[in-house]
Amino acid sequence: DAGITQSPRHKVTETGTPVTLRCHQTENHRYMYWYRQDPGHGLRLIHYSYGVKDTDKGEVSDGYSVSRSKTEDFLLTLESATSSQTSVYFCAISGQGADSPLHFGNGTRLTVT
Amino acid sequence: QQPVQSPQAVILREGEDAVINCSSSKALYSVHWYRQKHGEAPVFLMILLKGGEQKGHEKISASFNEKKQQSSLYLTASQLSYSGTYFCGTETGANSKLTFGKGITLSVRP
Repeated sequence: DAGITQSPRHKVTETGTPVTLRCHQTENHRYMYWYRQDPGHGLRLIHYSYGVKDTDKGEVSDGYSVSRSKTEDFLLTLESATSSQTSVYFCAISGQGADSPLHFGNGTRLTVT
Repeated sequence: QQPVQSPQAVILREGEDAVINCSSSKALYSVHWYRQKHGEAPVFLMILLKGGEQKGHEKISASFNEKKQQSSLYLTASQLSYSGTYFCGTETGANSKLTFGKGITLSVRP
């Protein structure tokens, strides 16, 4: 299995509080992604990174920011959590090229009350 | 734009065959297939590239019709372990990002 670790695995937080999710990889892959998964919507891309300090928005980026200061770490921050951000968040990594599959972490279940 | 997967759900008995589909309104560069079991992360199954190249799972086959912008995943002689939700992801260009469909739930019963 690809070496991807997400932390925390579960988190409950209150509306309006900041939350940071961490994704750590040991594969030295260039690309890293944050997805959210909600019933009836599948996997939706929030942000992605194509290198250290190189990030870009996905289809559902509002309310989220990311940072990548090292190849192995990709952080997702909810500046002020809302109930609509209750979801399961998956980090994924891939090598370069269209023939590179995504390898997913085990996910973080976030509940905003 | 999100690809459309069909049918919405599949129920079959062990040993039966199934076909699940993925279609896009845009020209496709590649199609990825992933399977997710309940409470787990999605797992890579196969990539199909424009031009016919395929990479992936030995026991699962798939097709990619570039003209129709469609892909189909063929599950033959299904096993209980095939149960899960199947997602297709599509890329419209070499540097575009994967857009996933909503997924198809497949249940294999003894």
